[in-house]
Amino acid sequence: ETAVFQTPNYHVTQVGNEVSFNCKQTLGHDTMYWYKQDSKKLLKIMFSYNNKQLIVNETVPRRFSPQSSDKAHLNLRIKSVEPEDSAVYLCASSYLGGREQYFGPGTRLTVL
Amino acid sequence: GDSVTQTEGQVALSEEDFLTIHCNYSASGYPALFWYVQYPGEGPQFLFRASRDKEKGSSRGFEATYDKGTTSFHLRKASVQESDSAVYYCALAPNSAGNKLTFGIGTRVLVRP
Repeated sequence: ETAVFQTPNYHVTQVGNEVSFNCKQTLGHDTMYWYKQDSKKLLKIMFSYNNKQLIVNETVPRRFSPQSSDKAHLNLRIKSVEPEDSAVYLCASSYLGGREQYFGPGTRLTVL
Repeated sequence: GDSVTQTEGQVALSEEDFLTIHCNYSASGYPALFWYVQYPGEGPQFLFRASRDKEKGSSRGFEATYDKGTTSFHLRKASVQESDSAVYYCALAPNSAGNKLTFGIGTRVLVRP
C-alpha cells in the first residue's frame, strides 16, 4: 500500500516530558512536511524537508526538532512539552515543485 | 505575507442543495491554489488545484475557477450528498514551484439527509 503512515495515533503525556512521532511515506516523494492542527482545525506548516535537507522552518519553539534519516522518513521530536503543544500533528509528502501534498492520518497529542 | 480567507464556521445544507464556499487569497504573482477536504479522523485529502488565471480545477463533482482579477478560488458543487460532510480547506503555494502551503481556516460542511 502506498500512503503516508504515522505513529502513534494518540499520545498522552505530562508537561515537561519528551515525545517523538514517526512518519513514513511509501509514495516515492522527495519532500516531507510536518503541520500542526489546533483545536479550531487551523493548519500551520512547521517544517519541510527535501531529500533530508531542511527547506522550510517556520517560527516554532526550539523544543521542536525534526529528524530525517532518508527521504521517506521524517520524525518529530518535542523536548519538554507544554500544554499549548496539545494538537494533532500531521505529516505530509509531495514531489518538490508545488505539487499536491498527501497527508497521513495524524498523531493527536494531549499534554496534561 | 501570503494569506487565504474562506467562508467561516459551518455551512448546513440538505442533500441535493448547491454548495458554495468562498475563498479569497492575498499573494504576489501567480500562486498555485488548492482545495483539500478532511473527513473526521483523517488527514486532509487533495481535491484539485489550479495555477493560472481562468484555469478550472475539478474533482468528485466539486469545481473552482482561478480568478486573478478578484483573487478568488470559490468551491462549488451542484448537488451535495451526505457523504460530502467534511471540513474543506482552501490553500495556496507562493508560485508553481513553491512548497509552502498556506491554508485557510477551514469550512465545516454538514449535509443533512
